[in-house]
Amino acid sequence: GQQVMQIPQYQHVQEGEDFTTYCNSSTTLSNIQWYKQRPGGHPVFLIQLVKSGEVKKQKRLTFQFGEAKKNSSLHITATQTTDVGTYFCAALTGFQKLVFGTGTRLLVSP
Amino acid sequence: EADIYQTPRYLVIGTGKKITLECSQTMGHDKMYWYQQDPGMELHLIHYSYGVNSTEKGDLSSESTVSRIRTEHFPLTLESARPSHTSQYLCASAKGSATADTQYFGPGTRLTVL
Repeated sequence: GQQVMQIPQYQHVQEGEDFTTYCNSSTTLSNIQWYKQRPGGHPVFLIQLVKSGEVKKQKRLTFQFGEAKKNSSLHITATQTTDVGTYFCAALTGFQKLVFGTGTRLLVSP
Repeated sequence: EADIYQTPRYLVIGTGKKITLECSQTMGHDKMYWYQQDPGMELHLIHYSYGVNSTEKGDLSSESTVSRIRTEHFPLTLESARPSHTSQYLCASAKGSATADTQYFGPGTRLTVL
C-alpha cells in the first residue's frame, strides 16, 4: 500500500529556534493534510494543501506542497513550548482514506 | 471543537474478555474511522465506514469487528482480548463529500489487556 515517510522522527529544539518536518511519498498525491497531536491527546487538523507548489501560512507555521506533489513540508518559525507534540502529514488514497505519515515528534525546551 | 465522543477513555481488562469500544458523533458525518496507535507511533487504519450499513477493513489487519447501524454510532468490538491488543484506539469522522475531508478525532480509548 501507499506509504508516507516523514523526517526527522524526532527533533529537540530550544525555544525560539526554527523547526521543519518533511513528508515524502513515492507516488503523486492528490492532496496532503497536516495534523498535530499533543502528548496524551488526539490528532487535530491543521491544514490541507491541494495545488502543486502551494504555500499556506498560519501565524508562525508555513506549509508547502511540492511542485511534483510528492512531498510537503511544515516549517515553524521561532518555536514556542506550546508547539510541543507530534506532527503528522496524511495523504488521501484513491479510496477516500487517509494514509498517515510516520510523524515527527517535536520537543521544545524553554 | 468537534463533537465526537469515545467511551471508555481508559480500560484495563483480562485476557479473553469481550469488549466494545464506543464512538459517537453528533455532526451527521457519513464517514467514520477507527485507528490504532501505539505510544509515539503512527496511526494505522483498522476499520472505516462510508455510511449506514457500510463497513470496510483498513490497512492494518485487526481481529476486531465494527458495525454501523446508525449514522452517529460506530462501535468496535473485540471478541476475545489479548495482550497484543494493548494500544490506543482513536475514532474519527468526516463529511461525505467527494474530496478529502478534514477528519475529526475523538479523545481515544487507551486499552490495556493483562
